[in-house]
Amino acid sequence: DSGVTQTPKHLITATGQRVTLRCSPRSGDLSVYWYQQSLDQGLQFLIQYYNGEERAKGNILERFSAQQFPDLHSELNLSSLELGDSALYFCASSVDSLANIQYFGAGTRLSVL
Amino acid sequence: DAKTTQPTSMDCAEGRAANLPCNHSTISGNEYVYWYRQIHSQGPQYIIHGLKNNETNEMASLIITEDRKSSTLILPHATLRDTAVYYCIVVSTGNQFYFGTGTSLTVIP
Repeated sequence: DSGVTQTPKHLITATGQRVTLRCSPRSGDLSVYWYQQSLDQGLQFLIQYYNGEERAKGNILERFSAQQFPDLHSELNLSSLELGDSALYFCASSVDSLANIQYFGAGTRLSVL
Repeated sequence: DAKTTQPTSMDCAEGRAANLPCNHSTISGNEYVYWYRQIHSQGPQYIIHGLKNNETNEMASLIITEDRKSSTLILPHATLRDTAVYYCIVVSTGNQFYFGTGTSLTVIP
């Protein structure tokens, strides 16, 4: 158990819908990362937050957004969903913005039908 | 883009050492070598990292060549639970990971 909690574990929705994925980091970790893993793209970095502020952006679509709340949990919002958004979404946390030792949650499997 | 090259797949007999190579010929002086693994769609798991010295922890050993252009992750006594995709990542402090395709290790009974 990494200490990072992601909910829900599975999500099935339809094209055009909007969903929210939730992540609680390890106790004491200030940085949260979001990754997308699809069959054809591998594990891709989406975005990083540190202590409530956006720290780095990767290959995140404009339809996707994230935030980190004062209690340090984070949410990833995916809107106008397309079939190609079906993937595993992982959240990771680290102690600070510079740490490269990241602890990953179990992921949320999103299926867009 | 990936700065590393890894074999696509490897097999290892249970109980034997698994040696996973990684080439990173363009590594910069301030870049570390990190190893993570992912067991069948679970979240990736940190294994070990190093800058230029060899490193060992309870999971594995990391051997980095003197010119730092390649490294080897060693699992000393592979078990069936070590079957996973192993990612070698070159990154400087605070920068983002590029996971690449990794090496799919199968431990055979």
